[in-house]
Amino acid sequence: NAGVTQTPKFRVLKTGQSMTLLCAQDMNHEYMYWYRQDPGMGLRLIHYSVGEGTTAKGEVPDGYNVSRLKKQNFLLGLESAAPSQTSVYFCASNVDITQPQHFGDGTRLSIL
Amino acid sequence: GQNIDQPTEMTATEGAIVQINCTYQTSGFNGLFWYQQHAGEAPTFLSYNVLDGLEEKGRFSSFLSRSKGYSYLLLKELQMKDSASYLCAVMDSNYQLIWGAGTKLIIKP
Repeated sequence: NAGVTQTPKFRVLKTGQSMTLLCAQDMNHEYMYWYRQDPGMGLRLIHYSVGEGTTAKGEVPDGYNVSRLKKQNFLLGLESAAPSQTSVYFCASNVDITQPQHFGDGTRLSIL
Repeated sequence: GQNIDQPTEMTATEGAIVQINCTYQTSGFNGLFWYQQHAGEAPTFLSYNVLDGLEEKGRFSSFLSRSKGYSYLLLKELQMKDSASYLCAVMDSNYQLIWGAGTKLIIKP
C-alpha cells in the first residue's frame, strides 16, 4: 500500500519554464490537496479538490493550475515558473474533510 | 486574520518531558490537529482534539481549551527519534486547515 505518491521528488527549472507535479493516492480518498512549505512559514494551501472533476482555490493559488480528471490523481501545474515558486510541495489526501490528511513525501522544486 | 502561534524551537533532554504550546485565532473552530515532521520528510498525523480536555496516545498527549484558544502537545520519556518539527493546525469554519509554522524540537543526550 503506497499511500500518497508524488513525482518527481526533485526538480530544477529555469524561470519561465513549465512543469507538472503528479500526486497519486491509492486509498480511494475523495479529498486531495496541494500545499507549499517554505522556511519559517506554515503549510499554505494552493488548491484542493473535493472529488473527481472538481477543483478549488486555496490560500495561494496564483501562478498554479490543477486538474483532477481521475479520482486517484491530482496534478499541479506551473505554467511559467518564477523564482518565488521555489519551495517544497506536498500533496495530501483524506477520506473526509474532517479526517487527518495523509501526505506524500514532497517535491523539492528550485527555480533559477 | 487567522493566526496560529507556536514557539520556533525548543530543546529538551532524552528521557525528559516537554510541552509544546499552540495558541490560535481563527474564523470558527472545527478541530485541532498535531503533526510530526522529521527533517526532509512528510508530516505525519499525531493527534486530533475537537472537545476540551486531554487526549492520550502512548507517550504523546494533546490538550485543548477552546475558550482560551490554546492547545499543547506533551511528549513524555523523550527519545532521540522525537527530534522533529511539530506542527499545529486548526480547522476553521470552512473546514480548511490553518497551519502554524511548526516547533523544531531538539533532543540532547
